[in-house]
Amino acid sequence: ETGVTQSPTHLIKTRGQQVTLRCSSQSGHNTVSWYQQALGQGPQFIFQYYREEENGRGNFPPRFSGLQFPNYSSELNVNALELDDSALYLCASSKPGQNTEAFFGQGTRLTVV
Amino acid sequence: GESVGLHLPTLSVQEGDNSIINCAYSNSASDYFIWYKQESGKGPQFIIDIRSNMDKRQGQRVTVLLNKTVKHLSLQIAATQPGDSAVYFCAENMGQGAQKLVFGQGTRLTINP
Repeated sequence: ETGVTQSPTHLIKTRGQQVTLRCSSQSGHNTVSWYQQALGQGPQFIFQYYREEENGRGNFPPRFSGLQFPNYSSELNVNALELDDSALYLCASSKPGQNTEAFFGQGTRLTVV
Repeated sequence: GESVGLHLPTLSVQEGDNSIINCAYSNSASDYFIWYKQESGKGPQFIIDIRSNMDKRQGQRVTVLLNKTVKHLSLQIAATQPGDSAVYFCAENMGQGAQKLVFGQGTRLTINP
């Protein structure tokens, strides 16, 4: 196991609703990244948090937002859910730096109906 | 490059044979690469990484080869076992000062008894 935990494991939401996903990083890791993985595809980078601030963002709209807390845990918030937001949402934690090993959690499976 | 398409390439090998999984990356400036294994219902699991100043790196039963001239990465798994069945992704770090992993399409490895 990687020591990265995500909650909940599964979630069903209605289009237009808002959702919050949570991630606890591995001990000693102060950098958390979020990825979206659609069925049959590779993960796509949403954004990264380092020292409680966003530190890099992928090609996702502003309705995808996040937070990082002093204990390095993190939240991903998605507003105005769309059907295409249905995916596995993955959190990865790593030590600071550009080329460091990223450890993934088991993911949260979000279904938007 | 960015993961596209819904149909994963598939590789079938006999148990005990060696497996070779290939990946083309998109950015000649990428300097860090990772191979991940993803089993059904789980998050990606780190296998091995390599930095661009290396051509080859070996782990336990796995070897990664990097050919920067043609932007090609390969993962070799020796003596393939049933537990190696999974989807394998290569990822390149395209972040500037941050770790932004861009995942390849993925290859589904199936082990025949």
